[in-house]
Amino acid sequence: GESVGLHLPTLSVQEGDNSIINCAYSNSASDYFIWYKQESGKGPQFIIDIRSNMDKRQGQRVTVLLNKTVKHLSLQIAATQPGDSAVYFCAEGVAGNQFYFGTGTSLTVIP
Amino acid sequence: EAQVTQNPRYLITVTGKKLTVTCSQNMNHEYMSWYRQDPGLGLRQIYYSMNVEVTDKGDVPEGYKVSRKEKRNFPLILESPSPNQTSLYFCASSFSGVNEQFFGPGTRLTVL
Repeated sequence: GESVGLHLPTLSVQEGDNSIINCAYSNSASDYFIWYKQESGKGPQFIIDIRSNMDKRQGQRVTVLLNKTVKHLSLQIAATQPGDSAVYFCAEGVAGNQFYFGTGTSLTVIP
Repeated sequence: EAQVTQNPRYLITVTGKKLTVTCSQNMNHEYMSWYRQDPGLGLRQIYYSMNVEVTDKGDVPEGYKVSRKEKRNFPLILESPSPNQTSLYFCASSFSGVNEQFFGPGTRLTVL
């Protein structure tokens, strides 16, 4: 199977600071990358995605960066809020049908 | 309300007793997928379906079956459950594989 990993299992940030969550992937054929947020007791929720022909994509308070040279993906959350506390997963899509998820990073926002 | 529903939400069963976990979406999505989530392993894809009558194996299909007879439904079947299938299961759907996937609330299965 594919290997999609997270650099850190946990991350704590002060409210208002920016958060950066990193992810490494292994399959050069992957063409679609997604970040999901999972709150306790709920299913994953889509945050933002990026195609392999892009390096950066911005959403509301979130930015995803893709570095294909080193197979690295990151999620930046601006002005982190208590409601951002959750587990964040990166996922790697191959040919638009198979998906491989990382093991997740638990983000804790300190008020 | 646009959603993915799963039933049951919780299930405790015994080894070898066939069971089905239902998944239904009301968004007219073509793509549907099943995942299992285990501590330390993240989500792993079991099966996916690109459209009605089109299904294919994901990363961990052993011990599972699926069917896609209607666009809205994608049941997961465990013909002979074993304790190693104890897990949290999620169904997801999207317009296509390269669009936002909407996840159901999860089904927590325990096989004794």
